[in-house]
Amino acid sequence: GAVVSQHPSRVICKSGTSVKIECRSLDFQATTMFWYRQFPKQSLMLMATSNEGSKATYEQGVEKDKFLINHASLTLSTLTVTSAHPEDSSFYICSARISSESYNEQFFGPGTRLTVL
Amino acid sequence: DAKTTQPNSMESNEEEPVHLPCNHSTISGTDYIHWYRQLPSQGPEYVIHGLTSNVNNRMASLAIAEDRKSSTLILHRATLRDAAVYYCILRDRGYGQNFVFGPGTRLSVLP
Repeated sequence: GAVVSQHPSRVICKSGTSVKIECRSLDFQATTMFWYRQFPKQSLMLMATSNEGSKATYEQGVEKDKFLINHASLTLSTLTVTSAHPEDSSFYICSARISSESYNEQFFGPGTRLTVL
Repeated sequence: DAKTTQPNSMESNEEEPVHLPCNHSTISGTDYIHWYRQLPSQGPEYVIHGLTSNVNNRMASLAIAEDRKSSTLILHRATLRDAAVYYCILRDRGYGQNFVFGPGTRLSVLP
């Protein structure tokens, strides 16, 4: 299957700083990428849907000014957690979609573990 | 999105077959049935998907009930590396749909 990478795989930062997470589709072009968040022992929760060249669509309860998403190219989307706080500590997972005439496939990145001290 | 129901957890012995059930009584005619699994501290990994017919691949088999209101993921010989959370997800083939994850089934494999 297609490969989606994330960088960094883990990051530790101080409260109040901003952290950028990159999501890349390595061998395909993705017009749509998704960002999920997963707290310990819980399932993945969709945060936002990112379409190349347009503004992201955020799920209810997700602050768009805190979680900045940029999808500048067909292979790269970035999530910036601004002014991070300990409650933002979580596992962030991106996903990229391939579209064909018959079906849409979606591939997931390995995740980025964010710890805010 | 149509909802799925899975047992919270299951246990299996190593090298034995595992049948992971999923109920989706409100499935629509255009919903695909997907299975993903998530190993600890990793992103979800695609396992298999199907629409109406049973499907086989190198990882698993997917048995779909005739009325499509339930399905079963079959791991033919469980290994310790199969210990993970398994998610059964329905998704319409329409372009705008994304994956909605439920709590899944946590599979433990005993040596």
